[in-house]
Amino acid sequence: DTEVTQTPKHLVMGMTNKKSLKCEQHMGHRAMYWYKQKAKKPPELMFVYSYEKLSINESVPSRFSPECPNSSLLNLHLHALQPEDSALYLCASSQSPPGLAGGGGTDTQYFGPGTRLTVL
Amino acid sequence: AQSVTQLDSQVPVFEEAPVELRCNYSSSVSVYLFWYVQYPNQGLQLLLKYLSGSTLVESINGFEAEFNKSQTSFHLRKPSVHISDTAEYFCAVKNNAGNMLTFGGGTRLMVKP
Repeated sequence: DTEVTQTPKHLVMGMTNKKSLKCEQHMGHRAMYWYKQKAKKPPELMFVYSYEKLSINESVPSRFSPECPNSSLLNLHLHALQPEDSALYLCASSQSPPGLAGGGGTDTQYFGPGTRLTVL
Repeated sequence: AQSVTQLDSQVPVFEEAPVELRCNYSSSVSVYLFWYVQYPNQGLQLLLKYLSGSTLVESINGFEAEFNKSQTSFHLRKPSVHISDTAEYFCAVKNNAGNMLTFGGGTRLMVKP
């Protein structure tokens, strides 16, 4: 089973709302990722969690707050977003965390179906 | 540092025709190469990957890609496309120093009847 699930599929929110995106995997992967994808562009890395700890934050604004409650779950809390934050948000996971010397390069990242976010 | 270039942003092709989507990379160390496909309004799905061994890799739906180290390329080919192959295709690279994917800009394959 190589499935990563994400909820909700679609989300519309106002700039003053607080919402959360959820991601789940049951493959025993120790690394989980959040990506942002604008239309007709490749995914852009936002955050990486390794062994449930935040290991990479690609200078993402604080209105995006990630959380990893356990090894299978990854959340992205949203607050005071801007219309330009509208995008497809993708979650991914891989067996090994990034930066693992001598290894990790052969691991495949498996992506979820994404949450289509619209900020009004 | 590593980078990926997909030379064509869009490739229109008629159904049952052959297609090649080009991907070139640059890296100072050994790399692992991936092709992902994204159907409309969906996430990314792994299509095929090159890790080591045979330089020709195949997917279950008729696509194949060949790793060419001297030309630093990993072009994706299919001898006969279907309407259902219409999608965005992303080439990506990782090196053995870690697990960070670097994506190309994507190629939109548009299969016409």
